[in-house]
Amino acid sequence: KNEVEQSPQNLTAQEGEFITINCSYSVGISALHWLQQHPGGGIVSLFMLSSGKKKHGRLIATINIQEKHSSLHITASHPRDSAVYICAVGNTDKLIFGTGTRLQVFP
Amino acid sequence: DTAVSQTPKYLVTQMGNDKSIKCEQNLGHDTMYWYKQDSKKFLKIMFSYNNKELIINETVPNRFSPKSPDKAHLNLHINSLELGDSAVYFCASSQRGGASGNYGYTFGSGTRLTVV
Repeated sequence: KNEVEQSPQNLTAQEGEFITINCSYSVGISALHWLQQHPGGGIVSLFMLSSGKKKHGRLIATINIQEKHSSLHITASHPRDSAVYICAVGNTDKLIFGTGTRLQVFP
Repeated sequence: DTAVSQTPKYLVTQMGNDKSIKCEQNLGHDTMYWYKQDSKKFLKIMFSYNNKELIINETVPNRFSPKSPDKAHLNLHINSLELGDSAVYFCASSQRGGASGNYGYTFGSGTRLTVV
């Protein structure tokens, strides 16, 4: 069993839908990261959080430290949001990654 | 200006060859990493250097040898390449934050290595 689990593995949505991706972890963490990887392959850091909630444009990330759970929400989804979203936890100077959620948003 | 740059972007080579991937960051970060992304897109830490000192070496075959000439550079040399080494290798950097953990990570664009 992975130390960082994401669900769902694959997600399809119609443009405009509200999207939620979940992440659970079983190790101690210093921070949790949400990353985005487009088909071209580059990885972009979306959020780093250790408590509460952060918002950036249409993206919202929340974390519950007691429950060891985080969610990434996308409001008013758009085809350009299509990508793989990866949850990663900071643990003793390294990142431990989830297996990613492949999101496809159709017009 | 590219913050974390890796070269080359693509590398196709024959089994048994030796190859290097270079990484440079201009963010002033003190920690650099190599991550490997396998065919199932799963990312895993290989090495981490802090101020040129190796701090993480995650059960990687000793055919892989990282070298950090200074804190802005972390190169990866691979000897005797095998088919199973085919993957995408990502360099990343961050600033070490001590007990509060590292500050945000910045990734390079990846090097797709194909061993034939």
